[in-house]
Amino acid sequence: QQQVKQSPQSLIVQKGGISIINCAYENTAFDYFPWYQQFPGKGPALLIAIRPDVSEKKEGRFTISFNKSAKQFSLHIMDSQPGDSATYFCAAGTHFGNEKLTFGTGTRLTIIP
Amino acid sequence: DGGITQSPKYLFRKEGQNVTLSCEQNLNHDAMYWYRQDPGQGLRLIYYSQIVNDFQKGDIAEGYSVSREKKESFPLTVTSAQKNPTAFYLCASSTGFFSGRPNTGELFFGEGSRLTVL
Repeated sequence: QQQVKQSPQSLIVQKGGISIINCAYENTAFDYFPWYQQFPGKGPALLIAIRPDVSEKKEGRFTISFNKSAKQFSLHIMDSQPGDSATYFCAAGTHFGNEKLTFGTGTRLTIIP
Repeated sequence: DGGITQSPKYLFRKEGQNVTLSCEQNLNHDAMYWYRQDPGQGLRLIYYSQIVNDFQKGDIAEGYSVSREKKESFPLTVTSAQKNPTAFYLCASSTGFFSGRPNTGELFFGEGSRLTVL
C-alpha cells in the first residue's frame, strides 16, 4: 500500500516536444506529491510539488497534473530541451512531506535534437 | 554555502568488512535520511531520524545501522550482514516535523557515496 508506481522506465523525446511521466499510488493518506530531478553523479533535487487540494500546478515549463479520484499524478515538461535530460522521480508522503517520502522507480528522460 | 556533505564519494570494501558513510549538514535541519539507489529500483529508505538521539527503520534497514548524536551528523554503517551492499547511497535532510518552522517538505540531498564490494 506504500508503493508508488512510475512509468515509463525510460523516455526519448525530440527537442521542443512534450515529455510526460506518470505515477500512481495506493495509500489515500498521501497528501504531498513532489517530483525530483537527478543528473548523473548527483543527488536528486526538488523540481515541483503539489498537494491534493489542487488539480494542477505549473512552474515555467513544468506542470504537475493530479487526479485524486484515480490516485494518479503526472509530470509534463513542455518545450523539452536537451538540458532536461535527467532521471525523474515521483514521490508521495504524508503530513505534507514532514514524514518520510516513498519514491517511484524513476524515469530516464533523454531529449534528442 | 549551506548543504549536505557526504564522504567518501567512492568506497571499495572487501566482503565481511563493515564500512561507515559520513553525512554532515549545515542547514540547521532536524530531520535526516539515508536512501539507497539501485538501477530500476528508485530510492529506497534505509533509516531516518526526525530529531537528535532518535531514529527509525525505513523499508530496507536490515544490515545497516545509524546513530544521531549530533544534529548535524547522521553516519550510516553498512555491516557485513548486508547481503548486497554495492549501491549508490544518498543522504538527505529536511526541516522536519518538530522544528516548529514552516516546512515545504523538501528533501535536500547530498551528492552520494558509491560503495562497491569486491
